[in-house]
Amino acid sequence: EIVLTQSPGTLSLSPGERATLSCRASQSVSSSYLAWYQQKPGQAPRLLIYGASSRATGIPDRFSGSGSGTDFTLTISRLEPEDFAVYYCQQYGSSPQTFGGGTKVEIK
Amino acid sequence: EVQLVQSGAEVKKPGESLKISCKGSGYSFTSYWIGWVRQMPGKGLEWMGIIYPGDSDTRYSPSFQGQVTISADKSISTAYLQWSSLKASDTAMYYCARKVHGLEPRDAFDIWGQGTMVTVSS
Repeated sequence: EIVLTQSPGTLSLSPGERATLSCRASQSVSSSYLAWYQQKPGQAPRLLIYGASSRATGIPDRFSGSGSGTDFTLTISRLEPEDFAVYYCQQYGSSPQTFGGGTKVEIK
Repeated sequence: EVQLVQSGAEVKKPGESLKISCKGSGYSFTSYWIGWVRQMPGKGLEWMGIIYPGDSDTRYSPSFQGQVTISADKSISTAYLQWSSLKASDTAMYYCARKVHGLEPRDAFDIWGQGTMVTVSS
């Protein structure tokens, strides 16, 4: 089973700042089968990025994904008030398709 | 509109059985893998397994194999998650979600249900 480790656990930033979230895999993620999700309190997760760097439908271009192999990054170029939430990475190249533990982006 | 609508919250006692549902609409239900994801209170997301409603091909996480059963009834566009004997540790929010593309099980989830809260308490 591929273990995904997300860091930091919590990121305290102000609106307008840049957020950089990390997701590290215990083994190489095949074909960059890596996704990022956003979850707000009381809501279901929302897909942001799939294939490590492709934005899902309707996702603003301030969200970008990069990386390959074992190291992946989600970048939010300028934080908007609605971006403060918990973010999860998921690998879907190997079964079981595991999630990382999450990074909370909170208002500083 | 493509959507997944899940059944309502459940409160059960340990040892009871339960089957929750996830109804798809707005797309060809038999052509997309659907998965189930657990979220225990205050915790992260856990991938439980997926099913292809077209032929009922099912894959489980080893952590959930033997603990739950995933099924689908394509005649009514509905996927299910069931337990034969609930435990207090099954208390969680359960989400169903659809894969982005059709035949490929190795895919992200783009459409999510609203979640079903299951509470198991004596």
